[in-house]
Order: sequence, then C-alpha cells, then structure tokens
Amino acid sequence: DVVMTQTPVSLSVSLGGQVSISCRSSQSLVHNNGNTYLSWYLQKPGQSPQLLIYKVSNRFSGISDRFSGSGSGTDFTLKISRVEPDDLGVYYCGQGTQYPYTFGAGTKLELK
Amino acid sequence: EVQLVESGGGLVQPGRSLKLSCVASGFTFSNYGMNWIRQAPGKGLEWVAYISSGSSYIYYAETVKGRFTISRDNAKNTLYLQMTSLRSEDTALYYCARRRYSELDFDYWGQGVMVTVSS
Repeated sequence: DVVMTQTPVSLSVSLGGQVSISCRSSQSLVHNNGNTYLSWYLQKPGQSPQLLIYKVSNRFSGISDRFSGSGSGTDFTLKISRVEPDDLGVYYCGQGTQYPYTFGAGTKLELK
Repeated sequence: EVQLVESGGGLVQPGRSLKLSCVASGFTFSNYGMNWIRQAPGKGLEWVAYISSGSSYIYYAETVKGRFTISRDNAKNTLYLQMTSLRSEDTALYYCARRRYSELDFDYWGQGVMVTVSS
C-alpha cells in the first residue's frame, strides 16, 4: 500500500498569514497514464471532508485561489495564503493512483 | 445540488451484521463510481470500498475484505454496504463519497453515519 506521510501534525497560524503543508508518498504517484492523482481535502470541525485540490494543483469548483497545490512524484505541498477563519480544520492529502486509496494522517490548522 | 444521504448505522454487538445505505440525488448516479470511507472517532480517513458505475469493478480494503460487501442499485440511486462479522475496530463514522472517473478523487461526500460495535 502507498503510505502517505503528512507534516506537520498541527500548525498554528495568525489570520492573514500563510502556511504550507507537506505530503510525501512512499511510492511515486505517477499513474501509468502519466497523470498524478494527488488530492487535498479539508475537514472543518463537525463536517464531512471537502475536496480542495485534485491532480496535484487543480482547484476544485468554488475553491479560493488562496489555496494552491504543487509537487511531483512523491513530494507534494499545499499552500494557504491570507488564512481566514473558515480555513481552520484538518487537512488531508490522498492518493488515487493505486488501490487501496490512502490518505495522510492529517494536519490540523489552528489559530495562533 | 449533489446530495448523498447515509443511513442504517447504530449500535451493534461484535460478530453481528449491519447494512448501510446511501441515497444519491442531484446527479446521474449510474455514471459515477462510488465509495465508502470511514473515520474512527478522533482518527483520520480510511478508504473502505469502491464500486464502479455499472458494478463491474469492486475493490476492498484488506481490513474489511471478506466481511463487507459493497453494492448499488442504480434504479434506486442507492449505494449499500453490507457489513458482517463486525469488530470493535469497525467502529467509525462511515461516509459515502462520489469518485470522479478522470480525476480519481472524491468530489462529494455524505454527512456520514455512525456505526458503533460494542457489547
């Protein structure tokens, strides 16, 4: 199975600040078709996860351009700029390149 | 508006069975692969099972293989998860989630249904 390792486990940020979350996979996430199926999800307190970023760097419908994804192969990063109160929660990376689908353990974003 | 509404959860004794349902609306259900993903209390996300749009392809996590069965009824826009031989470690909030074919991500999730396995 592909192991997804997220760092840090938690982050404290001031409103308006910028943060980065790292996600590393134990194997390359490049699919046989050349695509890389790495997604980012945000789970706000008491809510279901929601899709933010797909295929490394594509923002899902309605997602602010304050969220950006980057990376390749086994190393990926989610950046959040100008953090707002609604951004708080737990961020998960997830891979869809091979079964079983796997997720990172999550990064909790809190207010400083 | 895409909606996924799970039901069927509850408290069940170890070794017993339970069947979850997820009713979909707001999209053409028969065009999408569907998944069950669970989250133990205070823990992260664990993918459980996938079924393709026409039920031709089915995959399970090793932790549930042989005990859980995913199925769907496209005429009823409903996804199911039959869970047997339940264990305490199956205690979790179970989400149904839609998978996009080209992006291989989970673009919509239900609100989740709680399953508690305890004597």
